Amino acid sequence: GAVVSQHPSWVICKSGTSVKIECRSLDFQATTMFWYRQFPKQSLMLMATSNEGSKATYEQGVEKDKFLINHASLTLSTLTVTSAHPEDSSFYICSVPSAGTYEQYFGPGTRLTVT
Amino acid sequence: AQSVTQLDSHVSVSEGTPVLLRCNYSSSYSPSLFWYVQHPNKGLQLLLKYTSAATLVKGINGFEAEFKKSETSFHLTKPSAHMSDAAEYFCVVSDPGYNKLIFGAGTRLAVHP
Repeated sequence: GAVVSQHPSWVICKSGTSVKIECRSLDFQATTMFWYRQFPKQSLMLMATSNEGSKATYEQGVEKDKFLINHASLTLSTLTVTSAHPEDSSFYICSVPSAGTYEQYFGPGTRLTVT
Repeated sequence: AQSVTQLDSHVSVSEGTPVLLRCNYSSSYSPSLFWYVQHPNKGLQLLLKYTSAATLVKGINGFEAEFKKSETSFHLTKPSAHMSDAAEYFCVVSDPGYNKLIFGAGTRLAVHP
């Protein structure tokens, strides 16, 4: 399967600051990437679909001005949590879809803690 | 709309005994179904997938699942649990056409010596 990396693996930031999380597809180019959020002891919830060369598509209830997504190239998508608050503390996971199937390859996740 | 229901939030078994993690799905289409495993502080790993081929799907680490359309189920089984199987397991259905994955709530598997 494809290798997907995320950076950083964990980050602690102060309330009111912004944090950028990177997701890279190391094996192949991806015009689409997905961002998920997982709260402790809960399931993954899709936040948005990152589209190379166009705007991201956000799921209902996700604030697009707070969670900025930039699909800078065919191998890189970034998620910026702006003006972070403690309730944004979560595990953020990206994925890259496999071409021709419905399988997705997941990154290792980024744990964000906002103090 | 697609949805997935994992019937047990926690399952506890003894090492060497069978594992059964239950999953029911709802889909207007012929679904693609997956089981993923997540170990603590680790990324998601695909165990197996069903994509309209054989209804009995074999995955990694001795796991398998059977797609039963009449019961709208996709239960995960393993004949003999190992301590290293302790993790969170997610049943997932794919939303065709949009490439979106819809996750179940997860089942935490505990394996006791």
